[in-house]
Amino acid sequence: GDSVTQMEGPVTLSEEAFLTINCTYTATGYPSLFWYVQYPGEGLQLLLKATKADDKGSNKGFEATYRKETTSFHLEKGSVQVSDSAVYFCALSDRAPLVFGKGTRLSVIA
Amino acid sequence: GAGVSQSPSNKVTEKGKDVELRCDPISGHTALYWYRQSLGQGLEFLIYFQGNSAPDKSGLPSDRFSAERTGGSVSTLTIQRTQQEDSAVYLCASSPQGAVGQPQHFGDGTRLSIL
Repeated sequence: GDSVTQMEGPVTLSEEAFLTINCTYTATGYPSLFWYVQYPGEGLQLLLKATKADDKGSNKGFEATYRKETTSFHLEKGSVQVSDSAVYFCALSDRAPLVFGKGTRLSVIA
Repeated sequence: GAGVSQSPSNKVTEKGKDVELRCDPISGHTALYWYRQSLGQGLEFLIYFQGNSAPDKSGLPSDRFSAERTGGSVSTLTIQRTQQEDSAVYLCASSPQGAVGQPQHFGDGTRLSIL
């Protein structure tokens, strides 16, 4: 079945550091790919998405590129802020329900 | 506008009791999903409703779990004879049509604790 594997956390970075959270997937079809974020005490919210190969999703300084050849959708940000501290979930959908990775907790310290 | 609303936000109950969790999706969204978020298992799909079609129940972990969606809007997830392993955060999401690639909008969840 479909699955998503993302790097285990927690990840701790200093403010303004570069962030990469790796995500790879296994799917039988051509899924859409998503990153969701859960800030402390808040619900899950969409961060960015890509629906086909080579698409780049971007939002709030975060980017991820749909790489079909490596079945990856790594999340990157050039300069993280304390306010980016949250849990990040990679997810795919090749039918309507989402399949999630286990989440990566990011802590950014000033 | 109003987002996905879930109630109660917290529920504590004794093992063996039945519980009902409610989800009110965004108005006009025809697709509604239930997920479960637990420490050991991450986020798991439970059940999916799309319009008047038969629900996709493929994620329900046992026959103690069931869900209904009345009038194409509000949904209730029922867990009968609760067990301690049912302790988790139950999340509801909705989307306009349930098409692949369409983002889902999540509620804040119900935190269920089984004593």
